[in-house]
Amino acid sequence: GAVVSQHPSWVICKSGTSVKIECRSLDFQATTMFWYRQFPKQSLMLMATSNEGSKATYEQGVEKDKFLINHASLTLSTLTVTSAHPEDSSFYICSARKQRGSDTQYFGPGTRLTVL
Amino acid sequence: QKEVEQNSGPLSVPEGAIASLNCTYSDRGSQSFFWYRQYSGKSPELIMSIYSNGDKEDGRFTAQLNKASQYVSLLIRDSQPSDSATYLCAVNTDQSYNFNKFYFGSGTKLNVKP
Repeated sequence: GAVVSQHPSWVICKSGTSVKIECRSLDFQATTMFWYRQFPKQSLMLMATSNEGSKATYEQGVEKDKFLINHASLTLSTLTVTSAHPEDSSFYICSARKQRGSDTQYFGPGTRLTVL
Repeated sequence: QKEVEQNSGPLSVPEGAIASLNCTYSDRGSQSFFWYRQYSGKSPELIMSIYSNGDKEDGRFTAQLNKASQYVSLLIRDSQPSDSATYLCAVNTDQSYNFNKFYFGSGTKLNVKP
């Protein structure tokens, strides 16, 4: 199997607070995890690529100091949205890739963030 | 120019018909191609991957790849109302395995009418 979980599934927070989202690969080790953001009626936009034990690689236009990514183990990556604002409200989805030899990405169920 | 393009639809087909979804990509060096299905409010789920020219069949789904024309398509036979969703085409355009960056199309919304 290739099951990826995310926690929480949804979160509502006040403007200016920070929110942490966890992404876990449950039945495989993920050397690489990806974080996407999806606004309503739009496609997925890659925010960053996270490799276990190293710094994340951010896409152009994504503030690394605002979206902190930590890939501490082969089964866990976290995304922290710091000082969240209403424009950060979105659907955040992580994906994970298995060990070398496969480039298929398996997606978590997503986290819906609403910033008031 | 967008990396991956899809017709946004909606594509409406009657139950039992064949649904044909198309995707074009700009990077001629792309090697890996994927179709994902996304229900409203949910995350994408993998349907199929294809790496070589030609057809690849899996149950009611057939992926077709033509690298010379830079398009990939997905056929859904015997369409069911439960197939109603947005179908995302994803292309891995990076030749380096370490980067493995997917570019997603904007998705085609499919409606299967009972």
